[in-house]
Parts: sequence; structure tokens; C-alpha cells
Amino acid sequence: SQTIHQWPATLVQPVGSPLSLECTVEGTSNPNLYWYRQAAGRGLQLLFYSVGIGQISSEVPQNLSASRPQDRQFILSSKKLLLSDSGFYLCAWSFKGSSGNTIYFGEGSWLTVV
Amino acid sequence: GESVGLHLPTLSVQEGDNSIINCAYSNSASDYFIWYKQESGKGPQFIIDIRSNMDKRQGQRVTVLLNKTVKHLSLQIAATQPGDSAVYFCAENSGGSNYKLTFGKGTLLTVNP
Repeated sequence: SQTIHQWPATLVQPVGSPLSLECTVEGTSNPNLYWYRQAAGRGLQLLFYSVGIGQISSEVPQNLSASRPQDRQFILSSKKLLLSDSGFYLCAWSFKGSSGNTIYFGEGSWLTVV
Repeated sequence: GESVGLHLPTLSVQEGDNSIINCAYSNSASDYFIWYKQESGKGPQFIIDIRSNMDKRQGQRVTVLLNKTVKHLSLQIAATQPGDSAVYFCAENSGGSNYKLTFGKGTLLTVNP
């Protein structure tokens, strides 16, 4: 079976500091990978998705970047955090294939920028 | 623009009752729909999905109904339990791309013992 892990689970960072959230998927190969952000009491906003190593698509302009150095590894980064970057970040994966595939989420990482 | 929305932001039910959570979508090209459950502080969990060539699908205690005529999706939970308390999201795949979902804002379900 497939599993997804992301870390750290919680993070408190000062404004202007860098960020690195990591995510790995086990039990499958060549998955689609995603980073979502969820602000408090709100829905899920897609930040980045990747269909393969080194292939990153950004959905919204922002202070964040993503990288996929290995097939099942997805990293969310920032060089200088802003207060507005605070939120709940979710890594997710899906199979490739026919139209419409379920996206499976990790447990999330709480980021508080102070 | 295209959107997925929910009719009721909150729903409170008694334990043992049936729950119905509704969702409206506006993109007639959407061909795949998912319901997720999100407990406090956790990532969303897949509950059930349905494709546009179906109008009903049943799982364990859950049923999803799809009405393409009025672009409406619902999640029915039978014999609701306290453990069902969570935020429920509907999501749609808007066709054309098999790797992006659009999520609704969510409905908070509270089950009273």
C-alpha cells in the first residue's frame, strides 16, 4: 500500500527566515505530487504540482517554491518567510492515468510565521 | 469563474441520525467528484468518489449522489456517529486535466451525543 509522509509537523519561524518542508511517498512510482495550503477555516489552495522529476508547475504567484529532486520526494521552500505564509501545508499525491484520480493527502505541516 | 461551493457551512445532527451534506458545482465539464473528511489538525481523508457517468455510489455508511442536471452533489452519512464530526469537502476534477482538483470551502459536521 502507499503511504505519504511530510515533516516537520509543526514549525514556528521568524519573518525573513528560510523554509523547507519535505514530503515523501512510498509504495508507488512516478506519482503526481502536490503542495496545498489551507488557511484557518478556509478551503484548500493548490500551490504547486509536479508530474515528474524536475517538473514543477506553480498555480499562484507567491513567496514559495517547490522542487522534486527525486521521483517520490517533494520539497516546499522559501528563502524569506512572510507573515502571510502562515498556514497549514499539505503534501499530496495521485496516480497518473485516466481522467480523474483521487488525491491522497499527508498529515500536514503547521507553519506559524512570527 | 468555475467554482465548487457548499450550501451549508455548518450542520449539527444527533447521534444516530442520518446526515446530508450538499455541494453545488458550476463546471458542467467536471467528470469526477470526491468527498473528503478532515478532522481537526489532520490532512483530508478520502471518503468516496463518483464519476459523471454514475448518479449514485454507496460505501460503508456513506452514499454519494450526483445530479448533473442541477450540478449538485451530496454526501449522505447513515447512523451518524460522534467520530463523524469533522469538516467535509467536496472536490471536482474539471475535465481536461487529470491532476488538479477544485475544492469547496467545506461543511463542519457536528454530531451531538
